[in-house]
Amino acid sequence: DSGVTQTPKHLITATGQRVTLRCSPRSGDLSVYWYQQSLDQGLQFLIQYYNGEERAKGNILERFSAQQFPDLHSELNLSSLELGDSALYFCASSVTGQGGTEAFFGQGTRLTVV
Amino acid sequence: GENVEQHPSTLSVQEGDSAVIKCTYSDSASNYFPWYKQELGKRPQLIIDIRSNVGEKKDQRIAVTLNKTAKHFSLHITETQPEDSAVYFCAATFSYGGATNKLIFGTGTLLAVQP
Repeated sequence: DSGVTQTPKHLITATGQRVTLRCSPRSGDLSVYWYQQSLDQGLQFLIQYYNGEERAKGNILERFSAQQFPDLHSELNLSSLELGDSALYFCASSVTGQGGTEAFFGQGTRLTVV
Repeated sequence: GENVEQHPSTLSVQEGDSAVIKCTYSDSASNYFPWYKQELGKRPQLIIDIRSNVGEKKDQRIAVTLNKTAKHFSLHITETQPEDSAVYFCAATFSYGGATNKLIFGTGTLLAVQP
């Protein structure tokens, strides 16, 4: 167990709908990352938050948004869903520190858009 | 922009042989290079990491080497076992100062260890 909790584990929804994925980081971790992993694909960086503020953006679609709350949990909102959004979405968290630190991954949320 | 290239995409070895996976990164300011192992249907887990002030690090059967001049780093697995079969991802962080960093992953290598 990495200490990072993601809910739900599985989500099936229809095209055009909106969903919210939730992530609770490890206790004490201030940074949260979101990644998208499509079938047989790598880990595509979406966005990073640090202590409630957006710090870095990757290839995140305009239909997607995220936020980190005062209690440090984070939510990834996906709207106007398309079939191609079906993927495994991972959240990871890391402690603060200079020069990079280990990122711990949650178990992921498998999103299926039908 | 930040980019991490990883080769090969697939690697098949016989049990007991060594496996080497190579990555290159684009930003000379990158300072942290972790390697993750992802088994089928599971989350990525850190197996070893190296910082930019170190050239090599070893942990039992796995080792990582870093060449800052050439901006590449490699994962070496010796005496491979069937349980080493998984997807391996390299990554590099791009620091924006303070306690924030952007963790970019390579495209992954599917390692198959044949018994």
